[in-house]
Amino acid sequence: DIQMTQSPSTLSASVGDRVTITCWASQSISSWLAWYQQKPGKAPKLLIYKTSRLESGVPSRFSGSGSGTEFTLTISSLQPDDSATYYCQYYNSYSGTFGGGTKVEIK
Amino acid sequence: QVQLQESGPGLVKPSETLSLTCAVSGYSISSGSGYYWGWIRQPPGKGLDWIGSIYHNGDTYYNPSLKSRVTISVDTSRNQFSLKLSSVTAADTAVYYCARRGGGGIDFWGQGALVTVSS
Repeated sequence: DIQMTQSPSTLSASVGDRVTITCWASQSISSWLAWYQQKPGKAPKLLIYKTSRLESGVPSRFSGSGSGTEFTLTISSLQPDDSATYYCQYYNSYSGTFGGGTKVEIK
Repeated sequence: QVQLQESGPGLVKPSETLSLTCAVSGYSISSGSGYYWGWIRQPPGKGLDWIGSIYHNGDTYYNPSLKSRVTISVDTSRNQFSLKLSSVTAADTAVYYCARRGGGGIDFWGQGALVTVSS
């Protein structure tokens, strides 16, 4: 099984800050990596797919990069509405493993 | 617009079988088109856990840690798919989401159904 590890588990940043979340795969997963944002009591929302492709309607301050085993989600200028938990996911035909999540708080 | 809606008992007794159904509207499961239909759960206060998925032709893929207890099935005539999880314990208490996944990740989710395992 491929395991996904996220870091940090929580982070606190100010409005306007650049924020980076990292996700590691236990083995190479090519570019089959997605990022989701989840707010309390809500279903997750797709932000990024295939490592770096922005889902329609998602603000351009969100971006993704990486390859192989290391991937990052970057928020270029943190906004109050970005307070949420973020998850990475390795997905392919037969798997859908999630990372443990990163809770982003606004200072 | 694709919509998914979970339904099923909110309370299940330990050792019994949890059963949920996901009704899909706005898209025909039988279309295939590379979309998988799956289940994800989230224990209270914890992260997301992928349970498994099914293709329109009935091919299934399960999380190895749950494989011995999970069955996912599809009913294309009713445009719905279902989850059965046997021999449940308190550790299976969670919000259960149904979802659609394509080559672009999970693009549509149900609202989630809380299932509590308790006697």
